[in-house]
Amino acid sequence: GAVVSQHPSRVICKSGTSVKIECRSLDFQATTMFWYRQFPKQSLMLMATSNEGSKATYEQGVEKDKFLINHASLTLSTLTVTSAHPEDSSFYICSASEPLDTEAFFGQGTRLTVV
Amino acid sequence: KQEVTQIPAALSVPEGENLVLNCSFTDSAIYNLQWFRQDPGKGLTSLLLIQSSQREQTSGRLNASLDKSSGRSTLYIAASQPGDSATYLCAVRISRLTFGEGTQLTVNP
Repeated sequence: GAVVSQHPSRVICKSGTSVKIECRSLDFQATTMFWYRQFPKQSLMLMATSNEGSKATYEQGVEKDKFLINHASLTLSTLTVTSAHPEDSSFYICSASEPLDTEAFFGQGTRLTVV
Repeated sequence: KQEVTQIPAALSVPEGENLVLNCSFTDSAIYNLQWFRQDPGKGLTSLLLIQSSQREQTSGRLNASLDKSSGRSTLYIAASQPGDSATYLCAVRISRLTFGEGTQLTVNP
C-alpha cells in the first residue's frame, strides 16, 4: 500500500513555543491531506483538511491561528502548533489518499507533550 | 450527521478463537468503509477497504462484510493470535472519514 510518513514521532516542547509536524506522501501525490487529533482512549477527531495550493479547511471549534497548516506541494503538508500550551498535548495523525475516495493511509502519528 | 458505533468496546479472548467485531453507521450514502488497526502509541494501519458496491473483502485471516442498506459492517478474525491484540477502528467515507470509537482486542496466549 501507499506510504505516508510523519515526522517527528515524538516531541516535547516548552509552553509558548511552536512545533512543526510534517506529513509526506512517499509514493503518490496527495492533493488533499487530513490532520487528526486523538485523545487517550478516544477515536480520531478531524481537525482540518489540507488542500495543496490553497487554504486549509478547519473543523468547527479548531482554532486556525493556533494550528497552522501549509500544503505547499503535492507530497508535503505541515501542521504547526503555535504558542503551545499543556492542553495542546495530544497525539496528532495525518492521512492522505489518492484519489480522495479510495483507501486512506495514515502516518505514524506524533506524540506532542507541552511542558 | 454521520455517526459510527463499534461494539463491543473491548474484547478479551483466548488464542485460537474466531471473533467478530461490529460496526454500524447511520447514513448509508457512503463511498466506502475501511477497517484499521491501531497499536498503542502508533498510527493507523489499513486492514481492509470495502467499496459501497461490494459486500465483502478478505485478506488472510481477516474478512470484512458490508451491508450498506442496514448500515452495518463486521470484521471477522479467524484463529486469533496474541499479535492480533490492538484497537480496531472502522471508518466510513462520504466527504470525509468518520471513525467509530474502536474495539480494544486482547488475545491471551
